[in-house]
Amino acid sequence: ETGVTQTPRHLVMGMTNKKSLKCEQHLGHNAMYWYKQSAKKPLELMFVYSLEERVENNSVPSRFSPECPNSSHLFLHLHTLQPEDSALYLCASSQESRGLHEQYFGPGTRLTVT
Amino acid sequence: QQQVKQSPQSLIVQKGGISIINCAYENTAFDYFPWYQQFPGKGPALLIAIRPDVSEKKEGRFTISFNKSAKQFSLHIMDSQPGDSATYFCAASLGSYIPTFGRGTSLIVHP
Repeated sequence: ETGVTQTPRHLVMGMTNKKSLKCEQHLGHNAMYWYKQSAKKPLELMFVYSLEERVENNSVPSRFSPECPNSSHLFLHLHTLQPEDSALYLCASSQESRGLHEQYFGPGTRLTVT
Repeated sequence: QQQVKQSPQSLIVQKGGISIINCAYENTAFDYFPWYQQFPGKGPALLIAIRPDVSEKKEGRFTISFNKSAKQFSLHIMDSQPGDSATYFCAASLGSYIPTFGRGTSLIVHP
């Protein structure tokens, strides 16, 4: 295991539901990320929390809302999603002092929007 | 704009054969080129990485070949095994910043 855990592993939700994805890293890292992985598309970086500063991809719809209460936990709050949001959502972490390119990924949450 | 182009999209190789996956990049400032391996149900994991000051890096059966003038790099898997069946992603980054990923290659190694 990589030291990054994600829950739930699978989630099916309707378009009117509100749910949250959780990520926890046990590596002592100080940067965390959310990625979206869709079939036959590049990994899409959604949000970064680095040294408590949030950086976001401006193309991510507002129905996705991240929260990072501390350096070990990261949430992705979901509301009024669309079927095209169905994908694998990956959390990753890294240590700022070693460069943000050395990323450790969790197993992902497989999200299906019906 | 896709900054890292990866090919092929899928690859089937017989056990013992050589698997070759290619990537091309556009930004000449990129200076770190990792490859990630992703098994079904798992997140990507760093497999091997290279910096542009060397043309080749080898770790076991995995080798990265780097051609700076052509802005291309490739992953070679020697003596491919069924356990190597996975999706492989190339990536490129500038300095210590977040990498840009290719679209991925699904590798199947037949026994």
